[in-house]
Amino acid sequence: EADIYQTPRYLVIGTGKKITLECSQTMGHDKMYWYQQDPGMELHLIHYSYGVNSTEKGDLSSESTVSRIRTEHFPLTLESARPSHTSQYLCASSQRGWDEQYFGPGTRLTVT
Amino acid sequence: AQTVTQSQPEMSVQEAETVTLSCTYDTSENNYYLFWYKQPPSRQMILVIRQEAYKQQNATENRFSVNFQKAAKSFSLKISDSQLGDTAMYFCASLGNYQLIWGAGTKLIIKP
Repeated sequence: EADIYQTPRYLVIGTGKKITLECSQTMGHDKMYWYQQDPGMELHLIHYSYGVNSTEKGDLSSESTVSRIRTEHFPLTLESARPSHTSQYLCASSQRGWDEQYFGPGTRLTVT
Repeated sequence: AQTVTQSQPEMSVQEAETVTLSCTYDTSENNYYLFWYKQPPSRQMILVIRQEAYKQQNATENRFSVNFQKAAKSFSLKISDSQLGDTAMYFCASLGNYQLIWGAGTKLIIKP
């Protein structure tokens, strides 16, 4: 198993709450990614980072924000959760852009 | 825009049989990479096999091999001697401009 961790694994929260999904990796990878995946569907890139203090939005529009203050840590924040945010969120990392991406176990988010 | 198409939403085969999963892609990049990832039920996404487009030789990893047809933009995955542990969602992905574009996935069920 890859050394990339996500917490919490499952989260049920009410509409309007602020939440932060945590992602950490111990491989020293520069590149990190956040994907959104509905059950049994394809992955959509919502944010990525090429290194400390570098963050970019992906192809899928998202109301979330990310930060990259340390190489190993790439948290995702939703300021005000809505039912439309219900999904699985996968974090990944890679050493170079064209390398294999290593994935965390995911956070399954339900907003009621 | 880059696209990846997996035309088989679900497949099932008997244990020990050979199965081929289809993938076609469209890209304007000259140099790109193609991947097959596996997502077992409730487990982390992992890389199955990777192909560099400039290499004509098809990639192989033990029981997994690809049939890469560059002109046809086809990248199928063959699993030989299938095992129960091969049951998973399989995603084809194309890397261009340092972002992975994912197919919708094929659910593969290996029956005992």
